[in-house]
Amino acid sequence: QIQLMQSGAEVRKPGASVKVSCKASGYTFTRHWMHWVRQAPGQGLEWMGVINPIGDRALYGRKFQGRITMTRDTSTSTDYMELSSLRSEDTAIYYCARDSSDSLLGRTFWWFDPWGQGTLVTVSS
Amino acid sequence: SSELTQDPAVSVALGQTVRITCQGGSLRNSYATWYRQKPGQAPELVFYGVNNRPSGIPDRFSASTSRDTASLTITGARAEDEADYYCNSRDSSAVQWVFGGGTKVTVL
Repeated sequence: QIQLMQSGAEVRKPGASVKVSCKASGYTFTRHWMHWVRQAPGQGLEWMGVINPIGDRALYGRKFQGRITMTRDTSTSTDYMELSSLRSEDTAIYYCARDSSDSLLGRTFWWFDPWGQGTLVTVSS
Repeated sequence: SSELTQDPAVSVALGQTVRITCQGGSLRNSYATWYRQKPGQAPELVFYGVNNRPSGIPDRFSASTSRDTASLTITGARAEDEADYYCNSRDSSAVQWVFGGGTKVTVL
């Protein structure tokens, strides 16, 4: 079945960087974009960015531009999200989610499915 | 506007109907997608497009869109429907996606 398997929990000090991985299986990796979404403790979902199927283009949320990098390794069907200059507010669960889209009646719609299991990143001194 | 607005919480009696709304300018050009999240779990796709439910999501879940407001309706709510529900769409600038703040649904 289609699965996204993320790397394990990480602890970092403020100012450091973290790189989270997301390994896909069960579908053709190079046919889908991949999104990254995070959720701070007790808070809602926050979209971070998306990378295109061949990994040569990424769109980042305005809040993260300048300190986020998304990459992908098509040979291993793995996506990576690196966040730098970490601060305590970056403590959150980070999810990858596969993108799909379609159009109907002149409107395009997107959906994220499936999602990875999430990776907890804790930023603490 | 790049924001999607949801009511923070709503409650529904067991077996009754509840509607969750999501308002934002981006919905004039795109359909909302709906996710639910139960405690300690990753979000799960519930509804997308005009009339699409993933396998495993019962037909008591339906959705609609009018102008800048999208709605997710649960008809005959069950205890297992208790969760946080989020709407999502691509914003008007077409280079960002945005989530609503989420609605906590409590089944009484």
